[in-house]
Amino acid sequence: KNEVEQSPQNLTAQEGEFITINCSYSVGISALHWLQQHPGGGIVSLFMLSSGKKKHGRLIATINIQEKHSSLHITASHPRDSAVYICAVVIIQGAQKLVFGQGTRLTINP
Amino acid sequence: DTEVTQTPKHLVMGMTNKKSLKCEQHMGHRAMYWYKQKAKKPPELMFVYSYEKLSINESVPSRFSPECPNSSLLNLHLHALQPEDSALYLCASSSQTRADTQYFGPGTRLTVL
Repeated sequence: KNEVEQSPQNLTAQEGEFITINCSYSVGISALHWLQQHPGGGIVSLFMLSSGKKKHGRLIATINIQEKHSSLHITASHPRDSAVYICAVVIIQGAQKLVFGQGTRLTINP
Repeated sequence: DTEVTQTPKHLVMGMTNKKSLKCEQHMGHRAMYWYKQKAKKPPELMFVYSYEKLSINESVPSRFSPECPNSSLLNLHLHALQPEDSALYLCASSSQTRADTQYFGPGTRLTVL
């Protein structure tokens, strides 16, 4: 079993819909990252969380440390949000590295 | 400047070639990373440099040889690669704290013939 699990693996929605992507992890962490990767490769860091909630534009990320769970929400989704969203954690006992989930491929249709 | 640059963008090489990938950042970050990413998979960590010293090597074959000439530059030297090494190679950097945000470059798409 992976230390970081994301769901769903694939998500297709219509423009304007509210999107939720989930991330669960099974280890103690010092931080959780949400990353976005568009076709063509480049990865952009969206959020780094260690507690609570963060908001940036139409994106909201939350984390529940006790439940070992984080969600990424997109409000008023747009076709340009189509990308792979990756959850990654920094394990407390581990070395200085990110442990990645498998990613969620999001497609927003116009 | 919050950019990590990588060159070249694309590279095609034969199994007997020697080539190098380059990564540069001017954010004053002291940690730099090489990742390998196969299609439809998450990135896999290869190497971590901290203060220009190799701190993590994830059991990467010796045909990949990293080098950190100074705090802004990171190279990955390639020699005698195999076709299965074809992938997107991503560089990233962060300030020294372990949990800090990593800034990724656009990647080099490598094809080994």
